[in-house]
Amino acid sequence: GESVGLHLPTLSVQEGDNSIINCAYSNSASDYFIWYKQESGKGPQFIIDIRSNMDKRQGQRVTVLLNKTVKHLSLQIAATQPGDSAVYFCAENFENAGNMLTFGGGTRLMVKP
Amino acid sequence: GAVVSQHPSWVICKSGTSVKIECRSLDFQATTMFWYRQFPKQSLMLMATSNEGSKATYEQGVEKDKFLINHASLTLSTLTVTSAHPEDSSFYICSARVLTLNRNEQFFGPGTRLTVL
Repeated sequence: GESVGLHLPTLSVQEGDNSIINCAYSNSASDYFIWYKQESGKGPQFIIDIRSNMDKRQGQRVTVLLNKTVKHLSLQIAATQPGDSAVYFCAENFENAGNMLTFGGGTRLMVKP
Repeated sequence: GAVVSQHPSWVICKSGTSVKIECRSLDFQATTMFWYRQFPKQSLMLMATSNEGSKATYEQGVEKDKFLINHASLTLSTLTVTSAHPEDSSFYICSARVLTLNRNEQFFGPGTRLTVL
């Protein structure tokens, strides 16, 4: 079946550097993508989303890029802080599949002080 | 943003007992709630979709008689793990959905950690 996956299971960055977390998806019909942050022992927290008719969306310190040609999604975190340390999941939504979310495997971001 | 709560946050039980987990949307009404299971160092796996006033829809491989879901109101869904066994030990997370014109917003609860001895 189709799925969402991640390239890197663990990403270690220095505090203050920029972080890039990648995600590959295989369902070309997915119309909506979301990035979630999950801290240990907690539920996922919404970070930013993007619809399939957009290439880029910016939030506070975060940017999501969508490349539909290669079915790739990335999350960029500017000036990474220790509080950004968590597991990050991308999720895809396909409206014709009942608007359910399919989650990728997750990337653990570790920020070194 | 919208708040979703879960109760209990952590439960330890003996093998063979049943455990009920509650999921509540605190400041909004959710016609649809989702139940996920997450094993250590793994992603969230959807177990079932719970619609208010109707039977839940279970994902392939999830036993409906073992994981009983009741969505009795627009703010409450419950998941009961019946005759729990050690392999059911996991982190159970619910989410509540608000569909808008522009996106499918799901708000997640804090999760319930179940440990079956």
